[in-house]
Amino acid sequence: GAGVSQSPSNKVTEKGKDVELRCDPISGHTALYWYRQSLGQGLEFLIYFQGNSAPDKSGLPSDRFSAERTGGSVSTLTIQRTQQEDSAVYLCASSPTVLAGAQEQFFGPGTRLTVL
Amino acid sequence: QKEVEQDPGPLSVPEGAIVSLNCTYSNSAFQYFMWYRQYSRKGPELLMYTYSSGNKEDGRFTAQVDKSSKYISLFIRDSQPSDSATYLCAMILIKAAGNKLTFGGGTRVLVKP
Repeated sequence: GAGVSQSPSNKVTEKGKDVELRCDPISGHTALYWYRQSLGQGLEFLIYFQGNSAPDKSGLPSDRFSAERTGGSVSTLTIQRTQQEDSAVYLCASSPTVLAGAQEQFFGPGTRLTVL
Repeated sequence: QKEVEQDPGPLSVPEGAIVSLNCTYSNSAFQYFMWYRQYSRKGPELLMYTYSSGNKEDGRFTAQVDKSSKYISLFIRDSQPSDSATYLCAMILIKAAGNKLTFGGGTRVLVKP
């Protein structure tokens, strides 16, 4: 079946513009995560959605970052007034219902954001 | 200090050699330990995960966890050029609200034919 898909694959924007990044999780997966990977760095957790529960926004670096998940499926990460330090690869992952014990997270290919 | 430390490499080995990767961590509450492989311009893919201290083997891959030392390792036997990638360790604190991953910075591995 289809994996996690993300769009666009690449985005170049000017400083100060807003951008929207999209994630389509694996069908039936109720948990969805956003991570950020800066050049040469590991992945940094941003936000987590689980079903209809309130999202865990503890990783968002500033109030310029927001995300929503409509209908428990597609998610959009929005970055307002982009800054050059926002340049990174933004990765989305989904996993089945979170039960006791770890569930594998399946990652999309990422969106490479470049802020000029 | 980062919660999870990982040498960035690059680690260059000849084909057929054993690749040895490791991570150290500071939070003793981490409960699950994972290794992801990431090819260039791709998302990470899970290789192995372990829960308890000890060894776990899967084909050419062996994962080790030493909770007393807060140290985990991944060994790749009979390395192939196709193993050239960035390897990321990741850990999970099991919480009621979700299982977000805490990653190391990744080690770039190059297997030369």
